Amino acid sequence: DILLTQSPAILSVSPGERVSFSCRASQNIGTSIHWYQQRTNGSPRLLIKYASESISGIPSRFSGSGSGTDFTLSINSVESEDIADYYCQQSNSWPTYTFGGGTKLEIK
Amino acid sequence: DVQLVESGGDLVQPGGSRKLSCAASGFTFSNFGMHWVRQAPEKGLEWVAYISSGSSIIYYADTLKGRFTISRDNPKNTLFLQMTSLRSDDTAMYYCARSGYGSSEMDYWGQGTSVTVSS
Repeated sequence: DILLTQSPAILSVSPGERVSFSCRASQNIGTSIHWYQQRTNGSPRLLIKYASESISGIPSRFSGSGSGTDFTLSINSVESEDIADYYCQQSNSWPTYTFGGGTKLEIK
Repeated sequence: DVQLVESGGDLVQPGGSRKLSCAASGFTFSNFGMHWVRQAPEKGLEWVAYISSGSSIIYYADTLKGRFTISRDNPKNTLFLQMTSLRSDDTAMYYCARSGYGSSEMDYWGQGTSVTVSS
């Protein structure tokens, strides 16, 4: 099974700062990684697909990068509405998927 | 607009069964694969099951050990999850999610339906 490790568990940043979330896969998965945002009491929302492809309707401050085993989601200039949990998900083993454990974003 | 609306969640006794539904609208349901994903209280997301657009491909998370069955009714635009032999660790919010067209991300999610397994 492909395991995804997200780090750190919690990130605390000030508004306007740039923040990066890490997701590491247990084996090479190419670019088969997707990122989701989940606000408190909300449903997950797709932010980035295939490591770096943007999604219609998602603010341009969200971007993704990486390939192989190491992936990064970045938010350029964090806003208060970005307070949420962020999850990576791999689809290399389609149609069986796994999610990372998530990273919680806090605003100072 | 794409809408996915789950229903059927409730308090269930250990060992009991429950069938969840997900009503889809705003897109051609029969063209898309669908997933169930769950989230235990204060925990992360866990993929549960996938069904292809025509039901020919079905997969489950290994941890379910045959207790859950995913199905769909395309003419009625509805996805189902039949859950049996329920245990306390099945307590979770259950989400349905659409698979991208010809793609593997989950591009739309429902609001979830809550299942609590307790005596």
